[in-house]
Amino acid sequence: AQSVTQLDSQVPVFEEAPVELRCNYSSSVSVYLFWYVQYPNQGLQLLLKYLSGSTLVESINGFEAEFNKSQTSFHLRKPSVHISDTAEYFCAVRTQGAQKLVFGQGTRLTINP
Amino acid sequence: DTAVSQTPKYLVTQMGNDKSIKCEQNLGHDTMYWYKQDSKKFLKIMFSYNNKELIINETVPNRFSPKSPDKAHLNLHINSLELGDSAVYFCASSQDVGGHTGELFFGEGSRLTVL
Repeated sequence: AQSVTQLDSQVPVFEEAPVELRCNYSSSVSVYLFWYVQYPNQGLQLLLKYLSGSTLVESINGFEAEFNKSQTSFHLRKPSVHISDTAEYFCAVRTQGAQKLVFGQGTRLTINP
Repeated sequence: DTAVSQTPKYLVTQMGNDKSIKCEQNLGHDTMYWYKQDSKKFLKIMFSYNNKELIINETVPNRFSPKSPDKAHLNLHINSLELGDSAVYFCASSQDVGGHTGELFFGEGSRLTVL
């Protein structure tokens, strides 16, 4: 069965600093990988996804993630964060043929001015 | 217009009561889900329906009973509420089974507090 580990439960950074949120997965078959963002008191929204092709995927608000098969990772990065990026970030995985999306434990990103 | 809407948004009730949460999606999706998010923000799938048929039923107490009257609605009924049921319950929908494209659309959540 697939599983997802987000290595940091909380990541505090200063505004305009770079950030990396780490995600590792476990699966014996091909996977589809996702990052979701949850702003305070809201539901989850898809940030970006890897299905196939280029291993580097980007979102419209400056985040990017790179699928690394050998390290079974899908870390999320942003070169310069803003206060508005404060949220909970969830990594998720679905293996080929599986019906459900499995989420990691979440990483709370806190931006300090 | 809200794509996935849940009611109520907040629910406070006593142990032993029975309560329901309703969910509706206007996206024309075939698949709907219920997820439970605990106090540590951990998200766990509970149920999934595809075109009114149950396709995922995780290890959930049988006090929880989902009902899908049509593919646009998925309700969650909980009998004999316990303290451990306190959580935020999220409804979601996707175009296909398992959200192959990755796009699960979530509602804003229903925060259940059992006293």
